[in-house]
Amino acid sequence: GENVEQHPSTLSVQEGDSAVIKCTYSDSASNYFPWYKQELGKRPQLIIDIRSNVGEKKDQRIAVTLNKTAKHFSLHITETQPEDSAVYFCAAGPMDSSYKLIFGSGTRLLVRP
Amino acid sequence: NAGVMQNPRHLVRRRGQEARLRCSPMKGHSHVYWYRQLPEEGLKFMVYLQKENIIDESGMPKERFSAEFPKEGPSILRIQQVVRGDSAAYFCASSPNRGGNEQFFGPGTRLTVL
Repeated sequence: GENVEQHPSTLSVQEGDSAVIKCTYSDSASNYFPWYKQELGKRPQLIIDIRSNVGEKKDQRIAVTLNKTAKHFSLHITETQPEDSAVYFCAAGPMDSSYKLIFGSGTRLLVRP
Repeated sequence: NAGVMQNPRHLVRRRGQEARLRCSPMKGHSHVYWYRQLPEEGLKFMVYLQKENIIDESGMPKERFSAEFPKEGPSILRIQQVVRGDSAAYFCASSPNRGGNEQFFGPGTRLTVL
């Protein structure tokens, strides 16, 4: 069935360093790949997304890359700040009649001041 | 423009009782998704609805769980005869149309079954 694998499960970086989170998906028909940030006790909030007709997208300190052949996509956060600390989820939108999102298991990012 | 609304934010039920969770999508959104999140885990898809239609309920347990999105009013996720394993955060998301558009999440309902 549809599956999204996410690594690492936890990531600790020094303030100012970069953080990279990677995901792989199983459904080759997936065409929409959002990333969500969830702070403790809060709702998931979309931070960036990418569609299958684009290989890379950047928004200030955040960038996402997509390799459709390998079914990989990654989140890159540069110049990390303590307020970037949260759980980050990748997701894939299968190309079927449902358009549901399949989520990865999450990465807990800690940015040390 | 108000975001996705969910109520109640916290719900405590005893085993065997019914839990009823409500979700009002963003204005102009006609697609609603329900996800469940267990502690320290990711979000699991449960059901996708449009007005008066269930489009995909492949993630919903076959028994005790039901969902609706009537022509008027909020979407309802109903859990009958709750068990301790139903304790989780239930998030609703909405989108304006199908296919590759971002889903906006509500604040969630945290269900605790005693």
